[in-house]
Amino acid sequence: SQQGEEDPQALSIQEGENATMNCSYKTSINNLQWYRQNSGRGLVHLILIRSNEREKHSGRLRVTLDTSKKSSSLLITASRAADTASYFCATDFPPGTYKYIFGTGTRLKVLA
Amino acid sequence: GAGVSQTPSNKVTEKGKYVELRCDPISGHTALYWYRQSLGQGPEFLIYFQGTGAADDSGLPNDRFFAVRPEGSVSTLKIQRTERGDSAVYLCASSYETGELFFGEGSRLTVL
Repeated sequence: SQQGEEDPQALSIQEGENATMNCSYKTSINNLQWYRQNSGRGLVHLILIRSNEREKHSGRLRVTLDTSKKSSSLLITASRAADTASYFCATDFPPGTYKYIFGTGTRLKVLA
Repeated sequence: GAGVSQTPSNKVTEKGKYVELRCDPISGHTALYWYRQSLGQGPEFLIYFQGTGAADDSGLPNDRFFAVRPEGSVSTLKIQRTERGDSAVYLCASSYETGELFFGEGSRLTVL
């Protein structure tokens, strides 16, 4: 079974708008990661946030983590058509190990 | 090349046949992962290696699946008596203890 669930399952926005996707997980974690997958390709690491961090930025990406709610969000600001992809969260399970379990993903479509 | 290499990129086989999928990780990466991904789903954990040994093989679905990494570098995922339900993209990733996984482009397996 999958540890994380992303919400929404699919999201369609206009270029220039912000995109927010959420990840909820079931058990405690040491860190949470976000990955992007273009259609038919491998996954690409975007950002890692540790359980003692609340927010992290990387370029147009902003990730938050709320361990009390067991949830994380990924915000992509000023989206571009090239951001069209599926986005997945991954958590270490059991916590503190190097085994990562992926969520179900959000399919983002950015319309030009 | 500097990335994770997977071969073959596509494999079509008949039900009941034996299949081997190969993964060549990034040089120096100690951890190697196998995931399976069905259409529209997130990657499903199968097994991961630290060096030559399987650190966690809890995701292997049954005893038809087996993976080896004899010299701590290249890994082979072996599937015996393939079934139509084994059809999926098999993803390999490697990591050097940072938690960030580097993925290959995957091997698409189709069992007829």
